[in-house]
This record gives sequence, C-alpha cells and structure tokens, in this order.
Amino acid sequence: RKEVEQDPGPFNVPEGATVAFNCTYSNSASQSFFWYRQDCRKEPKLLMSVYSSGNEDGRFTAQLNRASQYISLLIRDSKLSDSATYLCVVNRDTGNQFYFGTGTSLTVIP
Amino acid sequence: NAGVTQTPKFQVLKTGQSMTLQCAQDMNHNSMYWYRQDPGMGLRLIYYSASEGTTDKGEVPNGYNVSRLNKREFSLRLESAAPSQTSVYFCASSRGRASTGELFFGEGSRLTVL
Repeated sequence: RKEVEQDPGPFNVPEGATVAFNCTYSNSASQSFFWYRQDCRKEPKLLMSVYSSGNEDGRFTAQLNRASQYISLLIRDSKLSDSATYLCVVNRDTGNQFYFGTGTSLTVIP
Repeated sequence: NAGVTQTPKFQVLKTGQSMTLQCAQDMNHNSMYWYRQDPGMGLRLIYYSASEGTTDKGEVPNGYNVSRLNKREFSLRLESAAPSQTSVYFCASSRGRASTGELFFGEGSRLTVL
C-alpha cells in the first residue's frame, strides 16, 4: 500500500469556484503534513503546512484528521494562477523521510 | 539566494554510460535528498542523507550511488545508465527536523537514457 494516496484528477473548474483535494496516508506514525504546489516542468514548492487544528492562508484552508488518516486542501475563489499540481506530503520523523502523493492536477478555466 | 543548485539541467546518455548529478545547498541544512519523478508515479525517494557523513536508501535505490561530500554537497551517480532511469531528478534539502518540515528543491535535472 502506498504511503500517501491522492486522487490524480484532473480537476477542471471555472474561475471563482471552490475546489477540494483529499489525501490519505497509511502510516499512523506520520507526524508532519504538508501541501506542495508544482507548476508544469518546475520544482515543487511548499504551499502550506497542515496542523491538527486546521489552518488557513488566504483562500487556502488545510485540514488534518488523524483518526481517519486524512488530509484535505480547500481552495476558495479559484484564480487562473492556481492551475498547478498539488502534492500531499507526509513526514515520519524517523529518518526524516518525506513521502509524496502522486499529485492532483488542477486547471482553472476562464 | 541560490538555495539548492543542481547540475546539469539536461543530459542525454547512452545505455551503459555513467554520470554524476551534482547538488549543493547554501542554507546550512543537515538533510539532503535525491528524488526521481515519473509520470503517474509521483516523487520517489532514491537516497537521502539525514546528516553529514550518513546516507540511506530510499524507495528506489537500485542503479544509483550517492556521496555526501560535505554538508553542502550531495551527489547522485549512475554507474551504468539504463532506459528505465530516464526521469526528472530533483535534489532537495531540509533543516532535518520534522517539525520545520519544508523541503527546498533544486530546479531539476532532466535525464534521457537512449
């Protein structure tokens, strides 16, 4: 079973829409959780960390459910510039290894 | 602000040739990583170095070797390249504490093995 699983999409949404991505992780010992963004043919970059209490950064909201081993990312009022692949990432402190989901592709349509 | 620098950005090899991908970071990070990214497979860890002087295998280490030359530099070597190693390779670094979390990536190296 993969460490991290994501729906690959693609998600095609109109500008202004709200879109949600989900991710599950298999190892209950996972300690840290993140969403990364990757633009086409570019390197991944941190979008936001995910905290147990949930956290928000502008139009982006991340949630963590440890009991269900589930992470989500909500994007409100989608912009054309949000078009990218969103990667779910978990970390187990042992060995400091980061595990990536395969990514969810988002295209925001004018 | 160089961050993580990896070279070369593009490389074409013939089957059986060898090459080394170089990576350097200027953020005084303890941990460094090599990933490969293939369509539909996501980022997969090849090798990592939790701290200077240590290296460990990741998910897909076969066909690769690494050297943590010093705290700044972490190289990836393909001794005898195979077409299955055609991929985009990313070097990354982190402070080494899970709580800080952020991985900083280089721009990637696109390798084609014919």
